Amino acid sequence: DGGITQSPKYLFRKEGQNVTLSCEQNLNHDAMYWYRQDPGQGLRLIYYSQIVNDFQKGDIAEGYSVSREKKESFPLTVTSAQKNPTAFYLCASRENRSPRGTGYGYTFGSGTRLTVV
Amino acid sequence: AQKITQTQPGMFVQEKEAVTLDCTYDTSDQSYGLFWYKQPSSGEMIFLIYQGSYDEQNATEGRYSLNFQKARKSANLVISASQLGDSAMYFCAMSLSGGYQKVTFGTGTKLQVIP
Repeated sequence: DGGITQSPKYLFRKEGQNVTLSCEQNLNHDAMYWYRQDPGQGLRLIYYSQIVNDFQKGDIAEGYSVSREKKESFPLTVTSAQKNPTAFYLCASRENRSPRGTGYGYTFGSGTRLTVV
Repeated sequence: AQKITQTQPGMFVQEKEAVTLDCTYDTSDQSYGLFWYKQPSSGEMIFLIYQGSYDEQNATEGRYSLNFQKARKSANLVISASQLGDSAMYFCAMSLSGGYQKVTFGTGTKLQVIP
């Protein structure tokens, strides 16, 4: 079955450490996204990529980095510069053109819960 | 800029009853899409229903229907015959046609279904 796989499900980070969250999709989608979710808040966009080897900052990119070397993969690194990284991280993908309508066809992974210890 | 507002942080509904979750949006674009997602305690985002700005009829998907009032910029979700498994967070979201079609989310409504 096609879908998005995020790993690990739970991740613990020590102060000053970089950690990388994995996101892999087999939907053949061109566009991929990373969102952060804090308690009581909706999702906020960190980074997005529309094609391989290209990505753009979202609304809250500071302290994060990404790469897009393969169409299927869009890993997110939470660097030590991110002052408050404890949150739930969701990866999403979308086909570039949906016959159904604007923005249709977003698919989400099951998320990674990151905690600073 | 686009904005989604959900004014109900939490809602209770009796099992088998219908419930309406409110959502208003703000955009000056003419072409956009509106979505509702369900997020159970496991954290995954489950797509429920979609309404395009040019769709003339309100969207329906099983027990879910979207009450789209374009002039009032509202896109309320109606869940009929609530079930215990409907207890979850519900997010309203919007995507514009331009650029990278970023999806903007509301802050969510926590729905609890009471037996």
